[in-house]
Amino acid sequence: KQEVTQIPAALSVPEGENLVLNCSFTDSAIYNLQWFRQDPGKGLTSLLLIQSSQREQTSGRLNASLDKSSGRSTLYIAASQPGDSATYLCAVMNYGGSQGNLIFGKGTKLSVKP
Amino acid sequence: SQTIHQWPATLVQPVGSPLSLECTVEGTSNPNLYWYRQAAGRGLQLLFYSVGIGQISSEVPQNLSASRPQDRQFILSSKKLLLSDSGFYLCAWRQLLNTEAFFGQGTRLTVV
Repeated sequence: KQEVTQIPAALSVPEGENLVLNCSFTDSAIYNLQWFRQDPGKGLTSLLLIQSSQREQTSGRLNASLDKSSGRSTLYIAASQPGDSATYLCAVMNYGGSQGNLIFGKGTKLSVKP
Repeated sequence: SQTIHQWPATLVQPVGSPLSLECTVEGTSNPNLYWYRQAAGRGLQLLFYSVGIGQISSEVPQNLSASRPQDRQFILSSKKLLLSDSGFYLCAWRQLLNTEAFFGQGTRLTVV
């Protein structure tokens, strides 16, 4: 059974710092991995999608990497800003699972202090 | 561009009352549709998914049901709500298995 873990559960950094959020998964037979952002009381906003054949994806100040063999992904945020404060979720889609179902971690709550 | 709409945003319902949450997707056709629930302290859990009109698959036994009466409409229902049905319900869609999943803004359901 696939399990997704995100460490740390919470992180507080000063504005301008570069930071890394970690995601690990137990079953490497994944189709893809997706990073989301969730603001309090809101839905999920897709940040990056990495296919299993890819090593990384970049969007603006965000860079996500994937090491499928070791079951790890990282989300790198450059020059953090207070507006980056949110909960970040990673999710994987398994081969052979329910049609396109995502298995989520519990998230990392990021707070960027001005 | 594609958009997903989910309503209502918040709902307070008494135990034993019925439920109907609606989700619609615009700007695409034949999407894969999903209902998730997010409970406090727990991750998102898949409740139902649909690959086409009238095709519903349930992931967990529960007090809820889902229907897809139209291609881009997904409805989550209950005949009689339980306290344990409280939570944050999210609708999502993706076009193909190797494409991004997009989520709605969610419905906060409180059963009292």
